[in-house]
Parts: sequence; C-alpha cells; structure tokens
Amino acid sequence: GNSVTQMEGPVTLSEEAFLTINCTYTATGYPSLFWYVQYPGEGLQLLLKATKADDKGSNKGFEATYRKETTSFHLEKGSVQVSDSAVYFCALAPTSGTYKYIFGTGTRLKVLA
Amino acid sequence: NAGVMQNPRHLVRRRGQEARLRCSPMKGHSHVYWYRQLPEEGLKFMVYLQKENIIDESGMPKERFSAEFPKEGPSILRIQQVVRGDSAAYFCASSTNVRGAFFGQGTRLTVV
Repeated sequence: GNSVTQMEGPVTLSEEAFLTINCTYTATGYPSLFWYVQYPGEGLQLLLKATKADDKGSNKGFEATYRKETTSFHLEKGSVQVSDSAVYFCALAPTSGTYKYIFGTGTRLKVLA
Repeated sequence: NAGVMQNPRHLVRRRGQEARLRCSPMKGHSHVYWYRQLPEEGLKFMVYLQKENIIDESGMPKERFSAEFPKEGPSILRIQQVVRGDSAAYFCASSTNVRGAFFGQGTRLTVV
C-alpha cells in the first residue's frame, strides 16, 4: 500500500545551518508529493509540492526534488532561521483517490538563535 | 480570503458525551476532507464530502462517527458516545478540486 516515512525529530539546528529532512515514500503509479508545515498553534500550510518525477518544488527558501528512482522527496534549506521552527509533514496524494493524502508522522524542527 | 475555519479549537468531553466539530471551507471550495491525527502519528484520512454528498468515508470508523456537509452551513464531524481513544486532533481541509487542499488549524478533542 501507500506510505510515507520521514525522519524522526526533533531536529535542533543553529541559525543559518543547513537543513535536510528526509522523506521516502511507497506508492503505486505516479503520486503527487507535498511538504506541509505547522507552526505552533496554527493549522497545516502547504509549503511546496511536486507532481511528477524530477520536479522541484520550492518556496520560502525550501526545496524538495521528486526522485522516483530513490522514491524520495527530501526537504532542504540552505540557511534556517528561528522563524522556521515548526513541525514539517511530508505527504503524498495517490494517483487514484488523490484526495486521500498519506502523511508522515512529522518532524519537529527547532532553530536556536 | 479567510482560510479554512474550524471550531472549536479545543473541545473537552466526558466519556459517553457527543462531540460536534465544525469546519467552514474556504470561499468557493466545494470539497471538504476530514483527517485525524492521533498522538505521535501522522494525519489519517477519514472522509471526503461535497455539498450534500459523502463521496468516500472509507477512513471513518463504522460506529459512532458521522459527517455531513449540508447545502448551507459548515461541515460537521459528529462523534457519539466518545471514548478516551477518540482523543486526537481533527483537521479539516478544503479544495476546489482533488489536489492542493488547504487545511484548517484543527480541533483538539480531549475525552476525560
């Protein structure tokens, strides 16, 4: 079946450090892939997405590339800020039943000044 | 343009009571989805609704849970006779089509 696995947190970084949060998936067909972010006390916000292999999603300095050969969608940012502290969720929307998003368990990021 | 609005944000119920969670989708969105997040787990799909129709409820427990999205008013997720295991965060999402859903802030249900 479809599944998403992301690295466990918490991840603690100093400001301006490089960030990678790993996400791998299992799916049939060609799913769409997403990263959502949840800031403290807020709902989920779509951070970026990619709908086909080799697509790169990017937003607010974050990037992730849809790698079909490694079934991965790792989130990266070159220089994190304190304001990036949040929980990050990797998710996929299957080819069929695309509304049934499959979410990872979330990775908490804490950035220290 | 207001986002997806859920209320209440926090809800405490005693075992055996009913919980009603409300979701107002974004303006112009006709697709509503409910997800549940149990402690230390990812969000899991529960139900997909369009106006006055349940499209897919395959993720919803067969008993005590029901959802509706009436022609007028918000979508309602109703849990009857709540038990401790229902304690979770319930998220609603809406979209204009089946991709790119926008999520609300969630309702955190605590059953005591």
